[in-house]
Amino acid sequence: DTGVSQNPRHKITKRGQNVTFRCDPISEHNRLYWYRQTLGQGPEFLTYFQNEAQLEKSRLLSDRFSAERPKGSFSTLEIQRTEQGDSAMYLCASSRQGSPSGANVLTFGAGSRLTVL
Amino acid sequence: DAKTTQPNSMESNEEEPVHLPCNHSTISGTDYIHWYRQLPSQGPEYVIHGLTSNVNNRMASLAIAEDRKSSTLILHRATLRDAAVYYCILRDREDNAGKSTFGDGTTLTVKP
Repeated sequence: DTGVSQNPRHKITKRGQNVTFRCDPISEHNRLYWYRQTLGQGPEFLTYFQNEAQLEKSRLLSDRFSAERPKGSFSTLEIQRTEQGDSAMYLCASSRQGSPSGANVLTFGAGSRLTVL
Repeated sequence: DAKTTQPNSMESNEEEPVHLPCNHSTISGTDYIHWYRQLPSQGPEYVIHGLTSNVNNRMASLAIAEDRKSSTLILHRATLRDAAVYYCILRDREDNAGKSTFGDGTTLTVKP
């Protein structure tokens, strides 16, 4: 397994454009999380899926943001009408329910860096 | 969800032990204590976790206070590659595990 894969790694866009990020979790992981991180800050939780069900969304996730995980495998995070304040690193993580330790360890991808001009 | 507090930064000399503290006074009985570290331009990487007892793995040791309101990540011999931001977070047992709140972590600088 190659770990959590995120694409694209970098995206530069103009204000007002739409962008989509993809996350491929570790294959046996049924939980998937999206976080956003700005420079010098820790990751901020955006949303979380268990299989294909979106179980929790942060208030940070405005109506311009939408996340999907249609078949319980990969996930996409779309940002519509991007604003300069959306510039950040978007991190995806996955974890496995039923792990022997019960501790639900997160495995993160390398992130997708968004720059909105 | 419960929050953690950590010092903003710490320094260490190479090959010396480093003790990174974390306070989590509102921890609940089902919360695991997790530590992750983040190198520049990478996603956070799992380091270690524990529930009540002290834990050791190949990367580090985790010492948990008896009342579980604080913990300490111990790097036994810091190397230059250990320079990173270290995050301490709480994660509920897996049946209820959802979001976890990250603080701003501790930036560890290792001097040669």
